[in-house]
Amino acid sequence: DTEVTQTPKHLVMGMTNKKSLKCEQHMGHRAMYWYKQKAKKPPELMFVYSYEKLSINESVPSRFSPECPNSSLLNLHLHALQPEDSALYLCASSQGGGGGAGNTEAFFGQGTRLTVV
Amino acid sequence: AQSVTQPDIHITVSEGASLELRCNYSYGATPYLFWYVQSPGQGLQLLLKYFSGDTLVQGIKGFEAEFKRSQSSFNLRKPSVHWSDAAEYFCALFDTGRRALTFGSGTRLQVQP
Repeated sequence: DTEVTQTPKHLVMGMTNKKSLKCEQHMGHRAMYWYKQKAKKPPELMFVYSYEKLSINESVPSRFSPECPNSSLLNLHLHALQPEDSALYLCASSQGGGGGAGNTEAFFGQGTRLTVV
Repeated sequence: AQSVTQPDIHITVSEGASLELRCNYSYGATPYLFWYVQSPGQGLQLLLKYFSGDTLVQGIKGFEAEFKRSQSSFNLRKPSVHWSDAAEYFCALFDTGRRALTFGSGTRLQVQP
């Protein structure tokens, strides 16, 4: 199983709503990532989790709150978002750890298309 | 700083023609390099990767890429393009500081019949 599963696939939320994006992998990967992708742009790194601990926060606004409940799950909690936060949110995982090159290959989910109204 | 540059924003080729997508990287040591493909509204699929060793790497869907250290390049090639290859292509570098992928700006491939 080389799949990263993201739910929901589409989400429309108001600026006062609270919602969560979910990501799951069963490859035994110890690194998980959230990327944000605007239209016609490359994915931009938001957060990195390594061994269930937040290791990188790319100066993301606090209205985005990541959570890693266990080694297979990654959530992104959303609150008081702005219309400019509308984007495709991609989750990825890799083997992680301090090992060699083989630990760096990232597997991506299909993304959640988020629209903030 | 570790970075990736894709000089071509948009490329159009005829079906059956050959394809080369350019990628240049900036990194002091041997980089870990990847090519991903993305169809509209979809996630990213890995085409191929380079870690070390043989500089010509084969990937899925008939793609290959050649690592050239002297030119800091990792160009993607395909001998004969199919209409289904139309998509966005991203070159990526594993950033050893952040321990995550850094992507180039992408190249949109259009295939003419």
